[in-house]
Amino acid sequence: DIVMTQSPDSLAVSLGERATISCKSSQSVLHSSNNRNYLAWYQQKPGQPPKLLIYWASTRESGVPDRFSGSGSGTDFTLTISSLQAEDVAVYYCQQYFSTPFTFGPGTKVDIK
Amino acid sequence: EVQLVESGGALVPPGRSLRLSCAASGFTFDEYAMHWVRQAPGKGLEWVSGISWNSGTIGYADSVKGRFTISRDNAKNSLYLEMNSLRAEDTALYYCAKAGCSSISCYKNIWGQGTMVTVSS
Repeated sequence: DIVMTQSPDSLAVSLGERATISCKSSQSVLHSSNNRNYLAWYQQKPGQPPKLLIYWASTRESGVPDRFSGSGSGTDFTLTISSLQAEDVAVYYCQQYFSTPFTFGPGTKVDIK
Repeated sequence: EVQLVESGGALVPPGRSLRLSCAASGFTFDEYAMHWVRQAPGKGLEWVSGISWNSGTIGYADSVKGRFTISRDNAKNSLYLEMNSLRAEDTALYYCAKAGCSSISCYKNIWGQGTMVTVSS
């Protein structure tokens, strides 16, 4: 199974400042046939289901603000919130969909400093 | 409006069975893979199972393999999860999620609100 790790476990950032979350996979999730990274990022606010932010590691889902961006390839990935807003307080999860079981990272909690 | 509505969650004793359902609307159901993802109280997300558009490819988490069965009825726009030999560790909020592709190897772009399963005597 592919193990997903995230760091940090939690972070507090001032409004308007940058937040950066790291996600690492125990093996590459880059598919050689299409050169795509099978990696997604989700945001979950309290009492709500997860919401898709980023897929194929760097493609922003429709309607997601452009302050959210994803980068990385192979085994190392990053979610960046360029200018943190109050509504971004949430837990963020990465997930690989390269091979079953489609494992999630443990989550990173983002708060306002 | 694209919508997923789960049902069937309940309080059941260990060892019993339960069937979850997910009713889909607002999109062409038979063009997309579907998944079940669960979240134990206060914990993170755990992928449970996925099924391709035509039921040709199915996958399970190791923790449920042999006990849970995923299925779909494209004529009824519905997804199911048959859960047998339930254990306390299966206690969670179960989400139905639509994939962005017909294959199960895909991101999940639409999620339901979830249905709660509690396994306890």
